[in-house]
Amino acid sequence: DGGITQSPKYLFRKEGQNVTLSCEQNLNHDAMYWYRQDPGQGLRLIYYSQIVNDFQKGDIAEGYSVSREKKESFPLTVTSAQKNPTAFYLCASSKGGTGPYEQYFGPGTRLTVT
Amino acid sequence: GNSVTQMEGPVTLSEEAFLTINCTYTATGYPSLFWYVQYPGEGLQLLLKATKADDKGSNKGFEATYRKETTSFHLEKGSVQVSDSAVYFCALASGTYKYIFGTGTRLKVLA
Repeated sequence: DGGITQSPKYLFRKEGQNVTLSCEQNLNHDAMYWYRQDPGQGLRLIYYSQIVNDFQKGDIAEGYSVSREKKESFPLTVTSAQKNPTAFYLCASSKGGTGPYEQYFGPGTRLTVT
Repeated sequence: GNSVTQMEGPVTLSEEAFLTINCTYTATGYPSLFWYVQYPGEGLQLLLKATKADDKGSNKGFEATYRKETTSFHLEKGSVQVSDSAVYFCALASGTYKYIFGTGTRLKVLA
């Protein structure tokens, strides 16, 4: 079955450590996205990528970094510069080209930093 | 800029009650509109969509009509079930990659 996988489901880190969240899709989608979800705030876009080796900042990119070396993979690194990293992180993908197209979401990773 | 406003939750209903979750938007041009559903601890799933004015999206008994004159895309269901308990997000997409999500409305259905 095609879909998006995120791992791990729960992640715990100490303050000051960088952490990388995995996102893989086998839908053959060109576009991939990272969102952050906090209670009562909906989804906020961190980064998105329209094509391999290219990505753009979203609304809250500070303290995060990404790479897009392969079409199916879009890992997100939460750096120690992110002031409040504890949140639920969602990865999504969609078709590329002229859209807009619906997004398909992974199950999410809940990150807790203490 | 573009924005989406949803009614505040939580919404609590008895099983078989009628559901309406209001969603209004502000956008330039002609956005596509979506409703997504999120079950506890999971990612979002597309529930329905509409790509132009007067389109009606429908799925699993849920419906929403793209009303350009009132800039609305309200979600409705005639008879809710306990299994419909979840958080519902209204979203718009204008241009290929920019999606705007509402803050979500939690629905709780009681048996």
